[in-house]
Amino acid sequence: SQQGEEDPQALSIQEGENATMNCSYKTSINNLQWYRQNSGRGLVHLILIRSNEREKHSGRLRVTLDTSKKSSSLLITASRAADTASYFCATERGAQKLVFGQGTRLTINP
Amino acid sequence: KAGVTQTPRYLIKTRGQQVTLSCSPISGHRSVSWYQQTPGQGLQFLFEYFSETQRNKGNFPGRFSGRQFSNSRSEMNVSTLELGDSALYLCASSLSSNQETQYFGPGTRLLVL
Repeated sequence: SQQGEEDPQALSIQEGENATMNCSYKTSINNLQWYRQNSGRGLVHLILIRSNEREKHSGRLRVTLDTSKKSSSLLITASRAADTASYFCATERGAQKLVFGQGTRLTINP
Repeated sequence: KAGVTQTPRYLIKTRGQQVTLSCSPISGHRSVSWYQQTPGQGLQFLFEYFSETQRNKGNFPGRFSGRQFSNSRSEMNVSTLELGDSALYLCASSLSSNQETQYFGPGTRLLVL
């Protein structure tokens, strides 16, 4: 079963614009992670935010976490063609290790 | 350090056959997890191995099994393949079972005909 639900399912923007993806989850968490997947390949870890953190930055990435709403957002600023990928949020749920959402498919148009 | 490697990268099998996939974790990593990715079900956790012992298991039938060797390399086996087993199988490693960040391999794409 999916713990996280990403929104939107697909997003298409122009190069240079900002991209925002949202993730909602159902149960309490210790942390939430975002991963990127390029065209059916392996996942790359982007950022981890803990339940006691509200915002975290890494380069052009900004992640927020609202535990009261059980939601997180990933913002990619100044998008590039190389950012074209699927983005997944993931939470740990006991024995299930990482539980992923369905992902947001991001397309950056030149 | 070399990343997580998986072999083979692509595989075609027929229904009823069995398949074994291999995963070599990052050097020094002792935890290996397996995930199945399909368009319909998304990414789903299969199982995790740490120090040659299965630590956690997802909701998959007994046809899916795995093991881990003393050098932390892991294999997963699927017996009596079904069409629905067609998927991308991803392996991920981490230093320990408690480490939160997992490092993924490129995956093995399995097609069952």
